[in-house]
Amino acid sequence: EAGVVQSPRYKIIEKKQPVAFWCNPISGHNTLYWYRQNLGQGPELLIRYENEEAVDDSQLPKDRFSAERLKGVDSTLKIQPAELGDSAVYLCASSFGREVNTGELFFGEGSRLTVL
Amino acid sequence: AQSVTQPDIHITVSEGASLELRCNYSYGATPYLFWYVQSPGQGLQLLLKYFSGDTLVQGIKGFEAEFKRSQSSFNLRKPSVHWSDAAEYFCAVGGQGNLIFGKGTKLSVKP
Repeated sequence: EAGVVQSPRYKIIEKKQPVAFWCNPISGHNTLYWYRQNLGQGPELLIRYENEEAVDDSQLPKDRFSAERLKGVDSTLKIQPAELGDSAVYLCASSFGREVNTGELFFGEGSRLTVL
Repeated sequence: AQSVTQPDIHITVSEGASLELRCNYSYGATPYLFWYVQSPGQGLQLLLKYFSGDTLVQGIKGFEAEFKRSQSSFNLRKPSVHWSDAAEYFCAVGGQGNLIFGKGTKLSVKP
């Protein structure tokens, strides 16, 4: 069974440029998460989807970040324009069920963003 | 507020030695607790989880963790560390659709 697939694995851009990350969750997982992991820190939730609905985006910096999950499967996270402080690893995860505490999250390998 | 504290940023142990990684949490209700491991350049993999019942839980790769409500702790243990266990370990508490992670403990293994 394929795991959570993310692309690109690495991205280097200059500040003020746009960037987009793509995630394909495990088949059948209706819940999808985007986390940001800064260097030396644990992951922090940016947004959580139940099917195509964003049910928690309280931590998403909406002035420059946007996300979508069309058709409730793949998802895209976009940053426009990128700032130096956006350098981080962006992790996508998926799970069964509406509540994370009923099951485990399955993580992709992450997309490492470097903003110069 | 919900939070997870991992007091040790970096731990070095000798191969074959025992290991204990500490985790303390703050959570308003019965916590759902997890340990994840992250190898360099990889995503996070679940080692074990506690939802209810027996407070000593067994996980993959020979790891176990013990939930102690009185101490708000969920420490991870392994009796004999292998070189392949070198990685970063994250404790997390779950609820309301979100996992809150600690800052992680990096484990180095000496030959």
